[in-house]
Amino acid sequence: QIQLVQSGVEVRKPGASVKVSCKASGYHFTNYAVNWVRLAPGQGLEWMGWISASNGKTSSAQKFQGRLTMTTDTSTNTAYMELRSLRPDDTAVYYCSRLVVVVPAIPDYWGQGTQVTVSS
Amino acid sequence: EIVLTQSPGTLSLSPGERVTLSCRASKSVASSYLAWYQHKPGQAPRPLIYGASIRGTDVPDRFSGSGSGTDFTLTISRLEPDDFAFYYCLQYGGSPPFTFGQGTKLEIK
Repeated sequence: QIQLVQSGVEVRKPGASVKVSCKASGYHFTNYAVNWVRLAPGQGLEWMGWISASNGKTSSAQKFQGRLTMTTDTSTNTAYMELRSLRPDDTAVYYCSRLVVVVPAIPDYWGQGTQVTVSS
Repeated sequence: EIVLTQSPGTLSLSPGERVTLSCRASKSVASSYLAWYQHKPGQAPRPLIYGASIRGTDVPDRFSGSGSGTDFTLTISRLEPDDFAFYYCLQYGGSPPFTFGQGTKLEIK
């Protein structure tokens, strides 16, 4: 079955970086993109960006440009999301999901989420 | 950028009731690229509806979506205990590619 399994809880100090992994299985990894969304306390879902697993093409929300790096490793079917210069308001649950990018489509299968806490 | 506004923010209802959630877009959503997700704390968001009215895989038929242009609704015909959750609308296919509404919390009365 299709699964996306994310790495565990992370705690960082302000100014640090965090790298979250998302290991995919059950489908052909390079036929899809990996999408990243976060949910901060008391806030709604927020789209961050996506990366094509076939060619590395990315698209990201303007507010994260310059701080966000998304990569994939096709040898292990794993996607990575790195966020730098962390602030307390980056405290959130970060989700990866599978995405078709050839035509407009919605993220269908999602990971379980990774809690990232930014606190001094 | 399209801004999605969901209403109400919170809804308190009882099992068996009918509910309609609203999602209004600041600009017309192209080709009805509007989806609805259900989200329960500690779980992954679950896609319910895409293309404004197409039910996703294994989504019960008590969930239905409608609308076009700037006004969209999600209706749950008869609430079951498992339906109490957060609901988000999502526009896709625009620029930026994805925008979520702020969500509606559906809670048990």
